[in-house]
Amino acid sequence: QVQLVQSGAEVKKPGASVKVSCKTSGYTFTDYFVHWVRQAPGQGFEWMGKINPSGGSTTYAQKFQGRVTMTRDTSTSTVYLEESSLRSEDTAVYYCAREFSAYGLETFDIWGQGTMVTVSS
Amino acid sequence: SSELTQDPAVSVALGQTVRITCQGDSLISYYASWSQQKPGQAPMLVIYGRNNRPSGVPDRFSASSSGNTASLTITGAQAEDEADYYCHSRDRNDYWVFGAGTKLTVL
Repeated sequence: QVQLVQSGAEVKKPGASVKVSCKTSGYTFTDYFVHWVRQAPGQGFEWMGKINPSGGSTTYAQKFQGRVTMTRDTSTSTVYLEESSLRSEDTAVYYCAREFSAYGLETFDIWGQGTMVTVSS
Repeated sequence: SSELTQDPAVSVALGQTVRITCQGDSLISYYASWSQQKPGQAPMLVIYGRNNRPSGVPDRFSASSSGNTASLTITGAQAEDEADYYCHSRDRNDYWVFGAGTKLTVL
């Protein structure tokens, strides 16, 4: 059974950093890209970027370049999202999602359960 | 980056058919996917590609597309289909874009 299990909720002060984990299981870790997407309270989704677990290469949305780092640990099949210089507007549920890509089709087929990050003084 | 546009809200009578649309430049080159999100839950993929349903998704969900517009159709809507529906696709810059979501109410 394919699963993405994320770390628990975080509360951070403005200016701090947060690191969220996404542990994968049920498939070959290096075969699928993993994306990070966030959803502010009552809002839609915002794509943050993706990581290729095979080589560790990353692509970040322009808005997050310089403030977000995605990494992976192949020994534990886990990807990480670290976001720095947090501000109140970063308060959101953060999701990891697996990218399924085949036959010219691409989509997010499996999502993590989400991690609530609250930024408050 | 490109954007995807959805109607904020749509309603349908129980058992009737409803169509939810999504417009954007990226859809000229890439298929839209559709995900369903219920309150307090993570999104769940319901349609991807030309008209593909993941295992376990009822066949009352279907998709179509024309030009820069993608549509999700629910034929015979059920009470459990009440949710927010989001379209998403990659764009030519290898980024990904989402619609703002359509809140479906089943009356």
